[in-house]
Amino acid sequence: NAGVMQNPRHLVRRRGQEARLRCSPMKGHSHVYWYRQLPEEGLKFMVYLQKENIIDESGMPKERFSAEFPKEGPSILRIQQVVRGDSAAYFCASSRGVGNTEAFFGQGTRLTVV
Amino acid sequence: QQPVQSPQAVILREGEDAVINCSSSKALYSVHWYRQKHGEAPVFLMILLKGGEQKGHDKISASFNEKKQQSSLYLTASQLSYSGTYFCGTALSSGSARQLTFGSGTQLTVLP
Repeated sequence: NAGVMQNPRHLVRRRGQEARLRCSPMKGHSHVYWYRQLPEEGLKFMVYLQKENIIDESGMPKERFSAEFPKEGPSILRIQQVVRGDSAAYFCASSRGVGNTEAFFGQGTRLTVV
Repeated sequence: QQPVQSPQAVILREGEDAVINCSSSKALYSVHWYRQKHGEAPVFLMILLKGGEQKGHDKISASFNEKKQQSSLYLTASQLSYSGTYFCGTALSSGSARQLTFGSGTQLTVLP
């Protein structure tokens, strides 16, 4: 049973380019969460999605960032016109449902903006 | 609001015990503990719900003191594999159980 799969593992973008981060949840999981982690810091919640729906995007910057979780295919976190401050590790987690079931994290995508 | 973890870092010898605390200024519904090794994904350890329960597996256990809004993670007879950064994630209600707010982490180093 494959875990949460994220790709790419490492992504380098020049300032102004777009970054697309993909996350395939564990089999049977329909809830996906994106977190951002700056070096030496904790994880910061960004967005919570279910299939075709954004449930909570309270942690997402208002501009340039968007997320989707289509009926078919992986969840996508999209960052337009990247800036140096976007450099971070972006983790995706998935869970079977809400409530007190554990969330499993992917290996993360390390975005570097040069 | 971000929970406060203490200590920020701890160094142990193999076989020693450690306690990591996670405190919140708000009433918590649940506390989730994760361990993350450098460059890897956070790995789930356990969830504690309000009500003051205690959980554990192997030599790692945790408690949740509802009166103090504090959770403590206990590592007994630490092993080299326990090294990593421990994060607590807190939820204020069952509806927010997945939109966790994480502390800054406690870096644990176990030396042989």
